[in-house]
Amino acid sequence: DIQMTQSPSSLSASVGDRVTITCRASQGISNYLAWYQQKPGKAPKLLIYAASTLQSGVPSRFSGSGSGTDFTLTISSLQPEDLATYYCQNYNSAPPPFGGGTKVEIK
Amino acid sequence: EVQLVESGGGLVQPGGSLRLSCAASGFTFSNHYMDWVRQAPGKGLEWVGRTRNKANSYTTEYAASVKGRFTISRDDSKKSLYLQMNSLKTEDTAVYYCVRDVRDILTGGYYMDVWGKGTTVTVSS
Repeated sequence: DIQMTQSPSSLSASVGDRVTITCRASQGISNYLAWYQQKPGKAPKLLIYAASTLQSGVPSRFSGSGSGTDFTLTISSLQPEDLATYYCQNYNSAPPPFGGGTKVEIK
Repeated sequence: EVQLVESGGGLVQPGGSLRLSCAASGFTFSNHYMDWVRQAPGKGLEWVGRTRNKANSYTTEYAASVKGRFTISRDDSKKSLYLQMNSLKTEDTAVYYCVRDVRDILTGGYYMDVWGKGTTVTVSS
């Protein structure tokens, strides 16, 4: 099975900071990668699919990049409402694995 | 508005059974693959299983951790998805999410685009 490894597991940043989260696949997955945001006590929400395609309605400060085994989620200017845990997922595998999550806190 | 609403969660003893339901609205349910994803308390997301649509023979797939104990089914006429959980273990305690899949036209892959709010299952004696 493919494994997805996220780093860091948590981070703390100030409002306005640029934040980068990485996700590494244990083998090449082309661009079959999605990013989800889960706010405390809420269900996950799709942010990005196909590694870099922004889901409709998602603020443009979120962006994704990468292909193969290495991927990044970038928040260009962190906002207070971005407090959440972020998960990557390879969606073209069986089973479709999630990364362990990155908890983003606001300083 | 596209919506998924789960129900049927609760407290059950180890070895017991529970059936979760998910009511869909706001989209053509029969066209979509559907998944169940769970999240144990304080933990990350774990895919449970998937059912494909009629065009793909309603085939199902399961995580190794639930295979042989859990069964996913659907009733397109009722726009509903189900998860029958048997031989429950304490490690099945989690919030269970119903999730819609959508096909990426460019890549052909199916990603999860809409999530329900979840229903909580607690397995404890």
